[in-house]
Amino acid sequence: DVKVTQSSRYLVKRTGEKVFLECVQDMDHENMFWYRQDPGLGLRLIYFSYDVKMKEKGDIPEGYSVSREKKERFSLILESASTNQTSMYLCASSLSEWRIGNQPQHFGDGTRLSIL
Amino acid sequence: DQQVKQNSPSLSVQEGRISILNCDYTNSMFDYFLWYKKYPAEGPTFLISISSIKDKNEDGRFTVFLNKSAKHLSLHIVPSQPGDSAVYFCAASASDRDDKIIFGKGTRLHILP
Repeated sequence: DVKVTQSSRYLVKRTGEKVFLECVQDMDHENMFWYRQDPGLGLRLIYFSYDVKMKEKGDIPEGYSVSREKKERFSLILESASTNQTSMYLCASSLSEWRIGNQPQHFGDGTRLSIL
Repeated sequence: DQQVKQNSPSLSVQEGRISILNCDYTNSMFDYFLWYKKYPAEGPTFLISISSIKDKNEDGRFTVFLNKSAKHLSLHIVPSQPGDSAVYFCAASASDRDDKIIFGKGTRLHILP
């Protein structure tokens, strides 16, 4: 069974801090994703990666960066946290077979981040 | 511009009856659709999917119907059970969008005893 583990369930940080959210998957998946979920807005893609050291912008990449140094680990970085980045952050992974969009994604349980 | 729309924020259905969750999309290039289910404090889990070459896909109590001409899909749950109470997200992908998946805002389903 695929397991996607996010390092923290809850995190509280201050405005201007550099914040790291970590995600690890144990099924050797090529693709990894970071989303944020906000009330009334659903899930929005921030960044994704289809291979080690590769990254692609999603729909809302501003204010974020990512790092994928190892296949199993995908980190989301808030360079200088702001209050509008308070949200639920969800990491996901999927196999790479033909099309990313056709592969079901396996999600972690999320990190609820509060920026004060 | 919302490309995947779930116009009902919530839905209440009696246990044992059919639950029908609806999803509309605007991009005619979408050719693959997925449904995810999410419980509170957990990540979404994949439920069922359908390719645009089909108009129906069934998996146990769950059936997804696709009407391409209307740009509409629906998820049917029969019979509805208490454990089906959750938020359901519709998602779509198209190769012209670098294959990124677009999610709807979700519909909260309440199964009433």
